[in-house]
Amino acid sequence: QQQVKQSPQSLIVQKGGISIINCAYENTAFDYFPWYQQFPGKGPALLIAIRPDVSEKKEGRFTISFNKSAKQFSLHIMDSQPGDSATYFCAASMEYGNKLVFGAGTILRVKS
Amino acid sequence: DAGITQSPRHKVTETGTPVTLRCHQTENHRYMYWYRQDPGHGLRLIHYSYGVKDTDKGEVSDGYSVSRSKTEDFLLTLESATSSQTSVYFCAISDPGRMNTEAFFGQGTRLTVV
Repeated sequence: QQQVKQSPQSLIVQKGGISIINCAYENTAFDYFPWYQQFPGKGPALLIAIRPDVSEKKEGRFTISFNKSAKQFSLHIMDSQPGDSATYFCAASMEYGNKLVFGAGTILRVKS
Repeated sequence: DAGITQSPRHKVTETGTPVTLRCHQTENHRYMYWYRQDPGHGLRLIHYSYGVKDTDKGEVSDGYSVSRSKTEDFLLTLESATSSQTSVYFCAISDPGRMNTEAFFGQGTRLTVV
């Protein structure tokens, strides 16, 4: 039983387009929601994270939207670039970076 | 990779043999974790440690044991490897008491059990 459900499994976007990845969670005790980016052969690296007291957080071309009542959060990548091609994982935890529960991952390919 | 070294990076082993993976950190972070990554499952927590000799089980701990005798080292042992333990294993560190609260991951160890 996956506590964090992520969709889609894979995504192809044209260069300059918007990439959107969605996640849903069940445990209302989660209070930290990070997104990780992983390139082939590398470990995941933190991209952006949000706490449930805000509905949106933006860092450059990356935005997290958070809907506490629906228990959903999403990653938007604006002006997607070929260098953004990677696997993206949403995650959740009850205490910052501790004991993260991950979604299944989304393989993003940005076509040039 | 935030001062995290995993060894070995690749290993092929036979079913039934013991295997130990090592994670070494130079960041003096209190918490250390072992995750496994499998297609369709993302990363799943195997075991974690919140201090020297303080460890606890994660979501998928069956068949695995861990030890932490020093702050900087966290060992993952497969007592008798099975094919279902073929996976990529990631070590991570974090320290919630610090300003920077994110979890940092190592480069991973690809383990194949034949």
